[in-house]
Amino acid sequence: EADIYQTPRYLVIGTGKKITLECSQTMGHDKMYWYQQDPGMELHLIHYSYGVNSTEKGDLSSESTVSRIRTEHFPLTLESARPSHTSQYLCASSDTTAGTEAFFGQGTRLTVV
Amino acid sequence: GENVEQHPSTLSVQEGDSAVIKCTYSDSASNYFPWYKQELGKGPQLIIDIRSNVGEKKDQRIAVTLNKTAKHFSLHITETQPEDSAVYFCAAPNQAGTALIFGKGTTLSVSS
Repeated sequence: EADIYQTPRYLVIGTGKKITLECSQTMGHDKMYWYQQDPGMELHLIHYSYGVNSTEKGDLSSESTVSRIRTEHFPLTLESARPSHTSQYLCASSDTTAGTEAFFGQGTRLTVV
Repeated sequence: GENVEQHPSTLSVQEGDSAVIKCTYSDSASNYFPWYKQELGKGPQLIIDIRSNVGEKKDQRIAVTLNKTAKHFSLHITETQPEDSAVYFCAAPNQAGTALIFGKGTTLSVSS
């Protein structure tokens, strides 16, 4: 059982609201990731972090931002939510490089109305 | 950069049959190839992985084969059961080695 947690599981919010999706892991992993999963189930990397105070943008451009102040915590923020942000957001972590298992959280299903 | 292609996008089999999902990758330097299973309402979970120094790996009813020359790897599920129904993803490290790049997924349906 992976020790990586995302909250909330489901979120319905109005356009223009600021939201933060939480992700925490208790495995002491240095690397953490955010993936966006589209309705066709494809996974797109939007952010990753090598460790504390390290954040990088992924392959898919996203208006969201992330921070990594603590090893275990990697929150994702949308300053002004729009319907186009409606999606499933998955957080993951891994021990060292991309050549090791990535553990995923259960995801946050975000709907912006 | 790395590109991972996965086929088929959907696969329907009868219980007890075998299922095979194939992926190709573009970066010959890639050395790690995991397979994930995603059930409804859950995050992807690793089911098996293989490194480039071996050609095949088995774990009970699932196996993965790797052909480095052709740059493709496959997931084999034998004696399928209804609980195998899920979306399966292959992956490989991106060119920078910073994260995994995933295939588009295969929806496997096992009917009893």
